[in-house]
Amino acid sequence: AQKITQTQPGMFVQEKEAVTLDCTYDTSDPSYGLFWYKQPSSGEMIFLIYQGSYDQQNATEGRYSLNFQKARKSANLVISASQLGDSAMYFCAMREGGYGNKLVFGAGTILRVKS
Amino acid sequence: DTEVTQTPKHLVMGMTNKKSLKCEQHMGHRAMYWYKQKAKKPPELMFVYSYEKLSINESVPSRFSPECPNSSLLNLHLHALQPEDSALYLCASSQDRVGGRTDTQYFGPGTRLTVL
Repeated sequence: AQKITQTQPGMFVQEKEAVTLDCTYDTSDPSYGLFWYKQPSSGEMIFLIYQGSYDQQNATEGRYSLNFQKARKSANLVISASQLGDSAMYFCAMREGGYGNKLVFGAGTILRVKS
Repeated sequence: DTEVTQTPKHLVMGMTNKKSLKCEQHMGHRAMYWYKQKAKKPPELMFVYSYEKLSINESVPSRFSPECPNSSLLNLHLHALQPEDSALYLCASSQDRVGGRTDTQYFGPGTRLTVL
């Protein structure tokens, strides 16, 4: 069964610095996708970035990059040049290949950006 | 542009009330989802509609009744809820590609439900 682990319940980062949010996963399926979502206190889940298990390059989207280490089964999110608006809950999620598989979420990490 | 809308934003209801949550997407997606989320927890999947047919029901109590009138709309009918059903209810949609590892779900802003 697929499983996602986020070991950091909370993180602090100084404004303008980079921060890494950890995510490890477990699956026996060679085909899977990894997703990161941001959830501000308003509640909306915002899709940030996607990494496929067969992708050769690490995914990047603006200030977000995904440090994908397949052998270690880790998919850490790196946020560069943190902004106050980055303060939110961040969820790592995984979906295995094949029709009908569910998106499985980690427990989440609360990030607080300090000015 | 990716947009999923949900109404109402907030809902307070008594245990004997009947109410409905509404979700709409205009991205041409063919899969729509309902999630329940308690504070500081990840979302829990409730229902999945694929091509307007219910494909996943996560053993949700019958006081929650989903409906998918067409590919753009998803409703969640609520009846005789309990206080423990108070939560954020999130709707999501995705293209529902065969071989689902790349199928990104896009979420709406959610409805904050309080059951008194």
